[in-house]
Amino acid sequence: QVQLQESGPGLVKPSETLSLTCAVSGSFISSSYYWGWIRQPPGKGLEWIGDIYHSGNTYYNPSLKSRVTISVDTSKNQFSLKLSSVTVADTAVYYCASRPDGYTNRWYADYWGQGTLVTVSS
Amino acid sequence: SYELTQPPSVSVSPGQTASITCSGDELGDKYVSWYQQKPGQSPVLVIYEDSKRPSGIPERFSGSNSGNTATLTISGTQAMDEADYYCQAWDSSTVVFGGGTKLTVL
Repeated sequence: QVQLQESGPGLVKPSETLSLTCAVSGSFISSSYYWGWIRQPPGKGLEWIGDIYHSGNTYYNPSLKSRVTISVDTSKNQFSLKLSSVTVADTAVYYCASRPDGYTNRWYADYWGQGTLVTVSS
Repeated sequence: SYELTQPPSVSVSPGQTASITCSGDELGDKYVSWYQQKPGQSPVLVIYEDSKRPSGIPERFSGSNSGNTATLTISGTQAMDEADYYCQAWDSSTVVFGGGTKLTVL
């Protein structure tokens, strides 16, 4: 059973970089899974940010691609999200999630972290 | 960009069948997943690849996908099924979520 736990600052100033980490337990990050991020603004729906394989292969949401970097640290069994130049519109609960490796058109997230609220405010 | 459209709300009486739809252009040619989200909790995968149930998901949850519409069906709906439900598909190298449907059991 994969368990995911997000961590990082709950408050970020506008124009700065949001940084979050997701610790993976119950599985090696080098296993046949992609590791990614999904966010949910308060009271709104889900938005996919992107995901990464342990080899470094990444997929990003085109609408966020210019500001997003997802990386993996196999030595710590964790992966990270950086979102640059944030605005109030980036205020959301950020979830880390995993999906099985395979055909991307069959994409689905089977394990989710508990989520962490990040507020963008001065 | 690709869009998935869900009704904002669906109501059902306990014990009855609830159907939540998700519409998109030629959606039947794609694989659809469904997630259940209760207030203050993380989403939970209830259906993947149109109609497959993950381990631990009750048999009353089922899915179908054809033409332009995917449907999540909950048979014998229970009070514990009251939640928001999101459909999701992959299109043009990106993951797309529907806007979500609030299922009320009353």
